[in-house]
Parts: sequence; structure tokens; C-alpha cells
Amino acid sequence: QKEVEQNSGPLSVPEGAIASLNCTYSDRVSQSFFWYRQYSGKSPELIMSIYSNGDKEDGRFTAQLNKASQYVSLLIRDSQPSDSATYLCAPSGYGNKLVFGAGTILRVKS
Amino acid sequence: GAVVSQHPSRVICKSGTSVKIECRSLDFQATTMFWYRQFPKQSLMLMATSNEGSKATYEQGVEKDKFLINHASLTLSTLTVTSAHPEDSSFYICSARIPSGGTQETQYFGPGTRLLVL
Repeated sequence: QKEVEQNSGPLSVPEGAIASLNCTYSDRVSQSFFWYRQYSGKSPELIMSIYSNGDKEDGRFTAQLNKASQYVSLLIRDSQPSDSATYLCAPSGYGNKLVFGAGTILRVKS
Repeated sequence: GAVVSQHPSRVICKSGTSVKIECRSLDFQATTMFWYRQFPKQSLMLMATSNEGSKATYEQGVEKDKFLINHASLTLSTLTVTSAHPEDSSFYICSARIPSGGTQETQYFGPGTRLLVL
């Protein structure tokens, strides 16, 4: 079992719809969780961080964390073509090192 | 967010040469920086953790004598790929962590360096 599992996609959604990105992780000691967005050929850019169970909203983005289920998700409301990218889930593990999932490719069609 | 720079952004070199990549935190001091490598269509793989004033910690399978890391100041870490070969061609990305003393420490990434070894 991989440490961080993400559906590779591509996930295609129409412009204006909600995109739902999911991630499961295996390390129960993880306390911090990060979502990064990576455009093709570029380095990752921090989108959201979440540390407590429940929801955390920031603009069009909502991160959801359920530590009991070892599950973290990212919702993008009113998806825009500019949201098309690869989204990387990264729990923080031992030594505060990030463990990256393979990423989910999101395509927002106008 | 915090700003991390990398130089150069792109380098092409001949097989057998050494290449140095710099990573700088521009608006904060980073006692810890990280070096990642990303091959096409794959995720980021952590190579090593760079600690200011001490030796770097390498991940399993990463040759420390091939990938030399120096973290001489609180704002600069360098990665030197020694005797580079075509299989070392990759996207090298550094990140710096803003220290908070807890588990909620966020990493900010540099723009990356694309290395092509001919």
C-alpha cells in the first residue's frame, strides 16, 4: 500500500462546477496536511493546509480532514479553467517531512 | 506566502561535469531546507533534508557522495550534482520551511531547476 493514495485522474469538470479531490494516507501519526497545486513544468504552490478534523475554507477552496478515516479532501467551488493543474496531497510525517501523493490531474472545461 | 528562489532555472551540461544549484529563502530564515527530484509524470521524491550548520540527511537510495548538499547560512542551501550522467536529468526543486517549533510548519517551494545532461 502506498503511503499516500490519490486518484491520478484526469478529473474533468465543467467550468463553474465543484471539483472534488480525494486523498487517503497510511501514516496515523501525520498531524499536518497540505494541498499543493502544480502547473505543468512548474513547481508546487501551496493551496491549503489543515491540521484539525473538519472543514477549513479559504475562498473557493475547502479542505476536509478525517483523521479516523485517514482521509483528506479538497473541494474547489466555481471551478475555472485556470484551476486546471495537478493537485498534490501531502501529509506531514516523521520529522515534519512531506510525503507526496502521485497527484490528481484536474481539467476544467470552459 | 514566503518566497524561495532557485538558480539556475535551467542548465544543460555534458556528461561527467558537476552542476551546482542554489536555493535561497528571500524573506525568512530557514534552518531546514529540502531537496526534491521529479521525473516526468511522476510525483516529487524527497532526496535530502538540508540542515543549517550540520550535515544533510539523505533519503534511502540517494547517494550522498553524488548529491552534495551544503547549507552554509540560514538563507542558502546548495545542491551539487557531481559527475552528472543522463539519468540525472530531472526537475530539481528545493523547499524551505518556516520554523514554528510545532507540527504546523509549512514548506514553500522554489521555482525548480531543470537539469539536462547530454
